[in-house]
Amino acid sequence: AQSVAQPEDQVNVAEGNPLTVKCTYSVSGNPYLFWYVQYPNRGLQFLLKYITGDNLVKGSYGFEAEFNKSQTSFHLKKPSALVSDSALYFCAVRDPVGVNTGFQKLVFGTGTRLLVSP
Amino acid sequence: SQTIHQWPATLVQPVGSPLSLECTVEGTSNPNLYWYRQAAGRGLQLLFYSVGIGQISSEVPQNLSASRPQDRQFILSSKKLLLSDSGFYLCAWSRRGNTQYFGPGTRLTVL
Repeated sequence: AQSVAQPEDQVNVAEGNPLTVKCTYSVSGNPYLFWYVQYPNRGLQFLLKYITGDNLVKGSYGFEAEFNKSQTSFHLKKPSALVSDSALYFCAVRDPVGVNTGFQKLVFGTGTRLLVSP
Repeated sequence: SQTIHQWPATLVQPVGSPLSLECTVEGTSNPNLYWYRQAAGRGLQLLFYSVGIGQISSEVPQNLSASRPQDRQFILSSKKLLLSDSGFYLCAWSRRGNTQYFGPGTRLTVL
């Protein structure tokens, strides 16, 4: 079964410092990986995805993620954190079940809370 | 551009009462539609998905049901709510095999 692990329940970083939110995955076949962000009482917002190609994926709001096949990781990064980046971050992997019919099931991690202090 | 709406934003219902949550998508046709539940502000659980009108697949057995009466409308229902149905319900849409985009969510509290 496909799965993702977000080993950190919370990440604390000072504003202006680089941030990393970790994600590791387990899939059969080629991984399709996603990052989403959720602000309090809001839906999830799509940040970026990796399907194929360059291992460094750039996304919204200055975020990027590095795909590492040998370490089965897809860590989310940002060079300089903002207080407004404080939110809940979810990593997800596509489950290939149903993909031939156009249905895409995502398996989500448990989320990592990012707190950026002023 | 595409937008997704959920109604209502918040809902407080007594145990045993019925439920109807609505999700509508604008700006696209024949989307895949999904209902998720998020408990305790963390993990997301896929409840239902639909690849077309009248086509509903359930991921987990439960007290809820879903319907898709129109191409861009997805409804989550229950005949009798349980305390355990409380949570944050998220609707999402995608094009075939593509990125999922989420609505703003409905906070349901069952008392």
